[in-house]
Amino acid sequence: AQKVTQAQTEISVVEKEDVTLDCVYETRDTTYYLFWYKQPPSGELVFLIRRNSFDEQNEISGRYSWNFQKSTSSFNFTITASQVVDSAVYFCALSEVLATGANSKLTFGKGITLSVRP
Amino acid sequence: EADIYQTPRYLVIGTGKKITLECSQTMGHDKMYWYQQDPGMELHLIHYSYGVNSTEKGDLSSESTVSRIRTEHFPLTLESARPSHTSQYLCASSDPGHGYTFGSGTRLTVV
Repeated sequence: AQKVTQAQTEISVVEKEDVTLDCVYETRDTTYYLFWYKQPPSGELVFLIRRNSFDEQNEISGRYSWNFQKSTSSFNFTITASQVVDSAVYFCALSEVLATGANSKLTFGKGITLSVRP
Repeated sequence: EADIYQTPRYLVIGTGKKITLECSQTMGHDKMYWYQQDPGMELHLIHYSYGVNSTEKGDLSSESTVSRIRTEHFPLTLESARPSHTSQYLCASSDPGHGYTFGSGTRLTVV
């Protein structure tokens, strides 16, 4: 069974600090997808990134960067120079690839509440 | 622009009432999902469908039921609402390219 662990529950930083959100996953499949979502207080899920298991390249998008390490089954997310608007709950998620090649259901971690203080 | 629509956005209803949460997508996706999320809590899969006339229960047991008569429509029904059903319900669909699209959610309060 697949599992996603986000050990940090709440993180509080001061604006302009860098912050890293950890994500560790478990799966028996060799092919899978990893995701990060942001959930602001309004409640909708905002897609941030998708990474497949064969692509271990790190990715940077503006102030956001992701570090994928298959050796440690981790997919960590770093926000550089955090801003108050980054305050939200962040979810890491995993989907496996079925034998047909199609994706299966998403399994979420418990989420990390990030508070960025001015 | 949202391609998956959930209505209502907010709902306050009395105990014992029957309710249906609507979810529709315009993308032609075969796979659709319902997640339940208590305030400040993790998301739990309660139902999913891999196509018309196909529905399965998710990882979290739920008293709700779903139907999938049309590809674009995946409604969730509670026959008799209770305060324990108070939660946010998120609908999603996925495409063959392994992307997931989520609706804005329905915040249900049962009083």
